[in-house]
Amino acid sequence: EILMTQSPATLSVSPGERATLSCRASQNVNTYLAWYQQRPGQAPRLLIHSASARATDIPARFSGSGSGSEFTLTIGSLQSEDFAVYYCQQTITWPYTFGQGTKLEIK
Amino acid sequence: EVQLVESGGGLIPPGGSLRVSCVASGFSFSTYWMHWVRQTPGKGLVWVARISPDGSITTYADSVNDRFTVSRDNAKNTLFLQMKGLGAEDTAVYYCVRDIYATFDYWGQGTLVTVSS
Repeated sequence: EILMTQSPATLSVSPGERATLSCRASQNVNTYLAWYQQRPGQAPRLLIHSASARATDIPARFSGSGSGSEFTLTIGSLQSEDFAVYYCQQTITWPYTFGQGTKLEIK
Repeated sequence: EVQLVESGGGLIPPGGSLRVSCVASGFSFSTYWMHWVRQTPGKGLVWVARISPDGSITTYADSVNDRFTVSRDNAKNTLFLQMKGLGAEDTAVYYCVRDIYATFDYWGQGTLVTVSS
């Protein structure tokens, strides 16, 4: 089973600033990597698939990068609705596994 | 609009059984792989099971194999998860999820299953 490790566990950023979240896979997952956002009381929402492709209706301030085992989610100019928990997921090998999440909080 | 609406969660005693359901709308349900993913505060998001569009292929996480059964009724646009031998470790919010090209693109709102005496 591929282990996904996200860092940091909590990230404090001021509105309007940029946030950078990291995800590391225990094995090479090529670009089979997705990012999800989960707001309090809501289900996860797909943000990024294939490491860098934005999902439908996702704002351009969300961008993903990386390949192999190191990935980054960057959120430019943070809006109030962006403060949430973010998860990465590998989709190259069953079982598909998720990271433990990064909580993005208001500084 | 794609919608996935789960139901059937509740409080179940240890060792009990429960079936949760997910009604899909807004897309051609019978052409998609579907999944169940669960979420607990301690272990985060964990994939549980998947089923092929025609229901002929199913796969399970090791932690639920032989206890959970995923099925679907394409005529009723409904996905099911039959759970038996429930334990405290199965307490979670269970999400119904649509799969498009190995990406989980739509999630239901979840149904809470609590296993406790």
